[in-house]
Amino acid sequence: DVKVTQSSRYLVKRTGEKVFLECVQDMDHENMFWYRQDPGLGLRLIYFSYDVKMKEKGDIPEGYSVSREKKERFSLILESASTNQTSMYLCASSATGDRYLRSPLHFGNGTRLTVT
Amino acid sequence: AQSVTQPDIHITVSEGASLELRCNYSYGATPYLFWYVQSPGQGLQLLLKYFSGDTLVQGIKGFEAEFKRSQSSFNLRKPSVHWSDAAEYFCAVGAKGGSYIPTFGRGTSLIVHP
Repeated sequence: DVKVTQSSRYLVKRTGEKVFLECVQDMDHENMFWYRQDPGLGLRLIYFSYDVKMKEKGDIPEGYSVSREKKERFSLILESASTNQTSMYLCASSATGDRYLRSPLHFGNGTRLTVT
Repeated sequence: AQSVTQPDIHITVSEGASLELRCNYSYGATPYLFWYVQSPGQGLQLLLKYFSGDTLVQGIKGFEAEFKRSQSSFNLRKPSVHWSDAAEYFCAVGAKGGSYIPTFGRGTSLIVHP
């Protein structure tokens, strides 16, 4: 089974802090994603990456950046945390290649971030 | 651009009753369709997927979904709901061509009464 591991289940940070959310997958997937989940808004894509060092903005990239130095690891960075970034953050990965468009996403268990 | 609508924010059913969760999509060609389930405090887990072929697809945990092109729908069904099915359910659509980024619906919260 694919395993996507997010380093923290719960985080509490102060306004203005730099925050790192880490995600690791163990199935050699090319694609990795960061979503934000808020009640009533569903999942919103922040950033995704289709290869090492490659990244593309999703629907709500403002206030976030990402890093993918190794294939298995995809980090989400909040440069200066604000209270409106309090949310559940979900990391996901998927395969590419011949089955490029057919691979479902595999999700981690999420990180609930509270910014005070 | 593709889009997904889940018209019901909450659905309440009694344990043992049948279930149907609605999903409508908007996309110009045949889409790839998915249903995911999210139990409290967990990430999303794939229930089932439709790519082509038989329009009735079977998934895990006794769920099934039917693709109806004429109605642009992909409704999720279960004949008899168990209390452990209480969760958030998300429908998603993926497009052909270009990078694969699925679009998710806003989710339907299932409440199961004993």
